Amino acid sequence: EVQLVESGGGLVQPGGSLRLSCAASGFTFSYHSMNWVRQAPGKGLEWVSYISSSSDIIYYADSVKGRFTISRDNAKNALFLQLNSLRAEDTAVYYCARETISVVRGLMREDYYYYMDVWGRGTTVTVSS
Amino acid sequence: DIQLTQSPSFLSASVGDRVTITCRASQGITSYLAWYQQKPGKAPKLLIYAASTLQSGVPSRFSGSGSGTEFTLTVNSLQPEDFATYYCQHLNRYPPYTFGQGTKLEIK
Repeated sequence: EVQLVESGGGLVQPGGSLRLSCAASGFTFSYHSMNWVRQAPGKGLEWVSYISSSSDIIYYADSVKGRFTISRDNAKNALFLQLNSLRAEDTAVYYCARETISVVRGLMREDYYYYMDVWGRGTTVTVSS
Repeated sequence: DIQLTQSPSFLSASVGDRVTITCRASQGITSYLAWYQQKPGKAPKLLIYAASTLQSGVPSRFSGSGSGTEFTLTVNSLQPEDFATYYCQHLNRYPPYTFGQGTKLEIK
């Protein structure tokens, strides 16, 4: 069964740190780029960070740049998110999500379509004093 | 960055109804759009990608259309399990990956 399981969330004081983990199983983890997406209580989805399959390309949302660090260990089928300098507004459920590419081949061109097709159940981060 | 605006934000409908949710992009994104369904306390579930391609296992009453800046998600013959929040998302080669603000579909 294809599965992602997050862990590492908890209650932390403002300015504190946490390390989130996402364990992947049931698919070839090293083939896929991965993402972290979060959802604050009662709010919508917010993309947080992206890491390519070989870790050579990394992106962050402006709201977390300089404070969060994404990484992965393909040998252990694991994705990580280090959260530093946490703020109250970082309180959210954090999901890891697998990114998949679909290729559509036409007569003259190829189009690549991206989507997040596997999601974990999420881990809750609460930043409060 | 590209912004996505969904309308309406709230939608009330009955079992058996047909509903349409719109997602507008701040600039053209060809067909680089996905739709997700999220139920309370659960992770989002992919419904449609490439604007109109139904993800495997998703019921055929769900359909997507559009390209450029305007996209729609249509649910035909609403079932009780379809009452949820729906999000559109723009994804391309690399981030940022924008989500719409969501549309909550409630039972009338």
